[in-house]
Amino acid sequence: AQSVTQLDSQVPVFEEAPVELRCNYSSSVSVYLFWYVQYPNQGLQLLLKYLSGSTLVKGINGFEAEFNKSQTSFHLRKPSVHISDTAEYFCAVSDSIAAGNKLTFGGGTRVLVKP
Amino acid sequence: KAGVTQTPRYLIKTRGQQVTLSCSPISGHRSVSWYQQTPGQGLQFLFEYFSETQRNKGNFPGRFSGRQFSNSRSEMNVSTLELGDSALYLCASSLEGQHSGNTIYFGEGSWLTVV
Repeated sequence: AQSVTQLDSQVPVFEEAPVELRCNYSSSVSVYLFWYVQYPNQGLQLLLKYLSGSTLVKGINGFEAEFNKSQTSFHLRKPSVHISDTAEYFCAVSDSIAAGNKLTFGGGTRVLVKP
Repeated sequence: KAGVTQTPRYLIKTRGQQVTLSCSPISGHRSVSWYQQTPGQGLQFLFEYFSETQRNKGNFPGRFSGRQFSNSRSEMNVSTLELGDSALYLCASSLEGQHSGNTIYFGEGSWLTVV
């Protein structure tokens, strides 16, 4: 079984400041890792994913994340946020061995960008 | 191309009733999965269907069921509704794949309120 912990439930940040959202996971098997964003009253949109290869993954809207196997972490960063980045962000993992598409999500981090 | 389409977007039901939610996946996608999102429990995996067969199942009671049709469209049903079933139900689709890691695309969800 896998579990995902997002250490911050809310992160207030000023516009044009950097932001880091923390995500740690636990799993008995190797995993794939994802970050999704949810804007108000909408579904989830994939920001980026790590399957293998380079541990630094670049996604859409200027976001990037770094996979750290020894620390079982997959933190999301953006060097300069915009008001439009106000949303809830979810880290998720899936079993890389089992068949099928099943995501285990963290509890989410709500980002509020202030002018 | 069209994204994942869910209907209805909003509905209100009474305790004890049943509800059926519908999901049309992205054209060509054969995997459809369902998630429940609540403020208290977050995002939880319900089940996944692939080629009309349930491939993965989450930890929900038997009141929650689903099915997939030959055109990959899916429905989920909740019988004997309880107040705690009030939630956003998200449908997601992805390409077939022997292993997870495929990008999973989400619909905008169906908001269910049980009164």
